[in-house]
Amino acid sequence: GAGVSQSPSNKVTEKGKDVELRCDPISGHTALYWYRQRLGQGLEFLIYFQGNSAPDKSGLPSDRFSAERTGESVSTLTIQRTQQEDSAVYLCASSLRTGANTGELFFGEGSRLTVL
Amino acid sequence: KQEVTQIPAALSVPEGENLVLNCSFTDSAIYNLQWFRQDPGKGLTSLLLIQSSQREQTSGRLNASLDKSSGRSTLYIAASQPGDSATYLCAVRRSGGSNYKLTFGKGTLLTVNP
Repeated sequence: GAGVSQSPSNKVTEKGKDVELRCDPISGHTALYWYRQRLGQGLEFLIYFQGNSAPDKSGLPSDRFSAERTGESVSTLTIQRTQQEDSAVYLCASSLRTGANTGELFFGEGSRLTVL
Repeated sequence: KQEVTQIPAALSVPEGENLVLNCSFTDSAIYNLQWFRQDPGKGLTSLLLIQSSQREQTSGRLNASLDKSSGRSTLYIAASQPGDSATYLCAVRRSGGSNYKLTFGKGTLLTVNP
């Protein structure tokens, strides 16, 4: 696609429910990132995918969070048993692999999650 | 551990002023530095990217400079307009084996008053 696409743009859920957020990166971008941005805070790294390599999951805050990516395409971020502190904007970004490329990062519009 | 600091945290200027936003980083082993803007409730929009071997990049009224040895970058905005009001973030990508890692500053909230 022309840009990074995220869905849903807004999600309101009840505490304890599971949610799934989707990211469709720019076509041909092998690198994909998930970040979390709480209200008034900076970006918090969650997870990184690069092609078929093992992802860097070091930023996932708890085992309630998981993410998958099929090859170099769509990624889903799943939050199980949501808590109120999970309320945030979840941002996805993609880039070409660094080295021969600039590594410029492109972001989607984010998925705003509100846990009641 | 890389730390990125942006000063000031907030800035308010009248329309038409030229202004400078600052970004400093503690580890000079970087691959590149990227400036973004973020409008309220939106994602980040890439403005300029400077590779570690470059000194500056320009796009329209924006000019970003990089002094890697001193760990500093500046974003210069000429003839500011109310539409420039947003939060501006800088991010550095580390060099070396884990060059996918980026560190973001907390941003500068810019308000341009008509």
